[in-house]
Amino acid sequence: GEDVEQSLFLSVREGDSSVINCTYTDSSSTYLYWYKQEPGAGLQLLTYIFSNMDMKQDQRLTVLLNKKDKHLSLRIADTQTGDSAIYFCAERDTGGFKTIFGAGTRLFVKA
Amino acid sequence: KAGVTQTPRYLIKTRGQQVTLSCSPISGHRSVSWYQQTPGQGLQFLFEYFSETQRNKGNFPGRFSGRQFSNSRSEMNVSTLELGDSALYLCASSSSGVNTEAFFGQGTRLTVV
Repeated sequence: GEDVEQSLFLSVREGDSSVINCTYTDSSSTYLYWYKQEPGAGLQLLTYIFSNMDMKQDQRLTVLLNKKDKHLSLRIADTQTGDSAIYFCAERDTGGFKTIFGAGTRLFVKA
Repeated sequence: KAGVTQTPRYLIKTRGQQVTLSCSPISGHRSVSWYQQTPGQGLQFLFEYFSETQRNKGNFPGRFSGRQFSNSRSEMNVSTLELGDSALYLCASSSSGVNTEAFFGQGTRLTVV
């Protein structure tokens, strides 16, 4: 069945890089997403990657996709305290009509 | 361009009551999806609508229902509320819903007492 797994917590120092990892099961997913959720807020789409890409970079964010291993990662360069939030990895199902989310990784940034 | 608007933001209901939540998608978007977010279960897909038709439904009991209007606004209804229905209900809109970006609203936090 469809499943997305992420580690639950990550703690980094301000200025360091953060790497959040995710594995998914649906090999036919064509879009994979990273969302950010701050306390009391909805989900903010950070970035997404097509399954035929290996990497996508967007300012401080780098997404790496290993389709063979069904592994997705999000790297945040120069992590700031404002990056503290929950980060959700998600995949679109084959029909494209629903998004399957991981449990979310809570990122703590220490000043 | 206005984002996804969900109303109300907060709601307190008692067990056994029913509730209706509303979602107005981004202008021009025709797909609306609903998700339930709880600490224990994470984000769970409820259903997706496109052009007033439900295209997909998650594993929720029949007490959870929804609909979409011709202007793409969507409502979800939960009848006979249970304590376990307390959650943040999130709505997402996208242009077609097929492998496109989905933009989320702020959510409606429902508390059942």
